[in-house]
Amino acid sequence: EMQLVESGGGLVKPGGSLRLSCSASGFTFNNYRMNWVRQAPGKGLEWVSSISSKSSYLYYADSVKGRFTISRDNAKNSLSLQMNSLRGEDTAVYYCARDHPHYAMDVWGQGTTVTVSS
Amino acid sequence: DIQMTQSPSTLSASVGDRVTITCRASQNIDNLLAWYQQKPGKVPKLLIFRASSLETGVPSRFSGSGSGRQFTLTISGLQPDDSATYYCQHYNGDSRTFGQGTKVETK
Repeated sequence: EMQLVESGGGLVKPGGSLRLSCSASGFTFNNYRMNWVRQAPGKGLEWVSSISSKSSYLYYADSVKGRFTISRDNAKNSLSLQMNSLRGEDTAVYYCARDHPHYAMDVWGQGTTVTVSS
Repeated sequence: DIQMTQSPSTLSASVGDRVTITCRASQNIDNLLAWYQQKPGKVPKLLIFRASSLETGVPSRFSGSGSGRQFTLTISGLQPDDSATYYCQHYNGDSRTFGQGTKVETK
């Protein structure tokens, strides 16, 4: 069974840092581009960042550019998101999601909650 | 940046009704559009990719159409289990953009 499991969420003060992780299983991780998508409380989905299968290409939403860094370790089937200079508006459930071969996201983790508050 | 606008924001329909949700792109996006269903407290689920291709395991009452700038998701014969929020999403080479969502309620 294809599975993505996120971890690393929690409560952090404004200006602080947090590192999210996503562990993949049930598929050949190094064949797929991966994403982070977030959802603020009561709000819609917002794409955050993507990384190509071999880490050659990294992409970020304007809202996180310069503060967040996406990375992956194909040997460990893991995806990470380093989040620095956190703001209240970064409070959200963060999902990792696999890119479908046809320009969509077909496998999603259960999400990890990040709360930025003093 | 390409903007995705969904309409309506909410809709209420009866079981068995045909329901249509529209997603409009601010510029031509060919058929690079997906639709997702998200139930409260649950993870988004891919329904449609490439504007009109049904994801494996998705009931055939769901269908997608459109190309260019205007797209529709149709539920033919609404079921109580279809109560959820539906999102369109555009794929660009270096980003993805979601619509703001359409909440579907069953009367």
